Amino acid sequence: GAGVSQSPSNKVTEKGKDVELRCDPISGHTALYWYRQSLGQGLEFLIYFQGNSAPDKSGLPSDRFSAERTGGSVSTLTIQRTQQEDSAVYLCASSLKPGTNQPQHFGDGTRLSIL
Amino acid sequence: DQQVKQNSPSLSVQEGRISILNCDYTNSMFDYFLWYKKYPAEGPTFLISISSIKDKNEDGRFTVFLNKSAKHLSLHIVPSQPGDSAVYFCAAMHTGNQFYFGTGTSLTVIP
Repeated sequence: GAGVSQSPSNKVTEKGKDVELRCDPISGHTALYWYRQSLGQGLEFLIYFQGNSAPDKSGLPSDRFSAERTGGSVSTLTIQRTQQEDSAVYLCASSLKPGTNQPQHFGDGTRLSIL
Repeated sequence: DQQVKQNSPSLSVQEGRISILNCDYTNSMFDYFLWYKKYPAEGPTFLISISSIKDKNEDGRFTVFLNKSAKHLSLHIVPSQPGDSAVYFCAAMHTGNQFYFGTGTSLTVIP
């Protein structure tokens, strides 16, 4: 498809389990972002990959959160030992070219529910 | 530290009238500003943007105004339509860096 693809669309898991969320950005987009939106809240920045540079991890809320981007394309966000406060919609976005004014294109998100 | 703020969580407007959504920012280094629209269970979609070298950008029914001295931008929708009912996020960035988003304003256009 032409857009940003995220999987799974929904994930329900028990507290303490690890989860892995996947993002396929738009082909050719070199910048990739992860955000989360908790119920009734705005978009919280998590991490930003820009080309081959070291990622900006300043938004990750704890060391239980990590992300990688392999081959400059697909990205996975991993949450270890999930807690109930991790329940949120996790959104991925990509943009064409860092260093220029380009809008981000978002996927539809993964709705994560921790029981 | 919320660098982009949308102080109105919700707004209701009659169909056909003007909707004005407001956004304030604190970082004078921001040079690119955007508005996104979000429907439930979907990701935000890009609506309109403005560079800091301009004070107005218009696209059909949507116009974004930027007041750099006040660090304020607004989105005008005229005429408002029921299909415009959604959550609107403003965002700002300093070129090459991360985006900062506001907390969103939920717009309801009443038929």
